[in-house]
Amino acid sequence: EDKVVQSPLSLVVHEGDTVTLNCSYEVTNFRSLLWYKQEKKAPTFLFMLTSSGIEKKSGRLSSILDKKELSSILNITATQTGDSAIYLCAGAENAGNMLTFGGGTRLMVKP
Amino acid sequence: DSGVTQTPKHLITATGQRVTLRCSPRSGDLSVYWYQQSLDQGLQFLIQYYNGEERAKGNILERFSAQQFPDLHSELNLSSLELGDSALYFCASSVTVWETQYFGPGTRLLVL
Repeated sequence: EDKVVQSPLSLVVHEGDTVTLNCSYEVTNFRSLLWYKQEKKAPTFLFMLTSSGIEKKSGRLSSILDKKELSSILNITATQTGDSAIYLCAGAENAGNMLTFGGGTRLMVKP
Repeated sequence: DSGVTQTPKHLITATGQRVTLRCSPRSGDLSVYWYQQSLDQGLQFLIQYYNGEERAKGNILERFSAQQFPDLHSELNLSSLELGDSALYFCASSVTVWETQYFGPGTRLLVL
């Protein structure tokens, strides 16, 4: 059975800090790793990493995929209170794009 | 706003009842996915449709069924509801089977 594990479960930091969120995956017929941010309701897409694109960056957020270690990290630099959310990592398999989600990391950024 | 719409936003019903959740994918997206998010189980894949055909099935209960219509909107039917079915139900869509999935705002179902 496919499995995605995220750590830490929760994190409290102060504005300006840098954080690293971890994700490890065991996905049969793995195709890609996705990161989503979930605030009040719907997960919003951040990054998709595949074997042809193992590092992505957008502003203060960046993510790396380590296909050898079956893991990924999401880095957020110069955190802001607006970064407070649950960050979800998901593995996508090749056949049908079914996503297996991790339990999420709850990030709280204090002013 | 992802462009995926879901109705209703909230639904309160009683055990044993049946409800229908509706999803309209982003314009141009052919694939629709349904997920359930509960406190104890996290976000779990239920079922996927592509251009009207069922493509993949996750841990979807037999009491639940879905379909995708010719106009590409999808409905998730939940019957013989139990207290444990209370959850957030998300619909997501993607252009094709392998592209990024974009999530709708969800329907919060409360079974009393």
